[in-house]
Amino acid sequence: EIVLTQSPGTLSLSPGERATLSCRASQSVSSSYLAWYQQKPGQAPRLLIYGASSRATGIPDRFSGSGSGTDFTLTISRLEPEDFAVYYCQQYGSSLRSGFGQGTRLEIK
Amino acid sequence: EVQLVESGGVVVQPGGSLRLSCAASGFTFDDYAMHWVRQAPGKGLEWVSLISWDGGSTYYADSVKGRFTISRDNSKNSLYLQMNSLRAEDTALYYCAKDGVAVAPAGTSYYFDYWGQGTLVTVSS
Repeated sequence: EIVLTQSPGTLSLSPGERATLSCRASQSVSSSYLAWYQQKPGQAPRLLIYGASSRATGIPDRFSGSGSGTDFTLTISRLEPEDFAVYYCQQYGSSLRSGFGQGTRLEIK
Repeated sequence: EVQLVESGGVVVQPGGSLRLSCAASGFTFDDYAMHWVRQAPGKGLEWVSLISWDGGSTYYADSVKGRFTISRDNSKNSLYLQMNSLRAEDTALYYCAKDGVAVAPAGTSYYFDYWGQGTLVTVSS
């Protein structure tokens, strides 16, 4: 089973700043099968990025994903007030190995 | 517009049973694998179960294997989760989620491109 570790646990930034969130896998993630989700309080998660770097439908281009192997990054180039939320990474590709990281809370400084 | 609407969450005693449902619309339901994902209060996301697009293959997290059964009725565009021998640690918001790739090979799951709003299951005496 692949374990995903996200860092930092909490990130405090101001609107307009750049956010860099990390997701590290305990084993190499095949075919860059890595997704990112955003979850706001009281809402279901929303898909942001799949395939490590492809933006989902309707996701603004200030969100970008990168990485391969065991190290992946979600970058928000310029934070908007609505971007403050919890972010999860997910590894997929095999139903026996799908799992989520523990999340990074992005809060307003 | 894709819609997933879960129902069936209630308060149930430890050892009890419950069946969750998810009504799907806005896409060709029988082309996509479907998942259940849960979130305990104040905690992160945990994948629970997957059923292939044709219902022929099912997979479970170790934490629920042998107690939960996922099923689907493609004629009704519906997904189900039968939950038996419930424990306090099963208390969570249960989401159904749509797989992101059509007609995925058995044994393979992808990202979750649409989620329902969840139904709350509370296991307590």
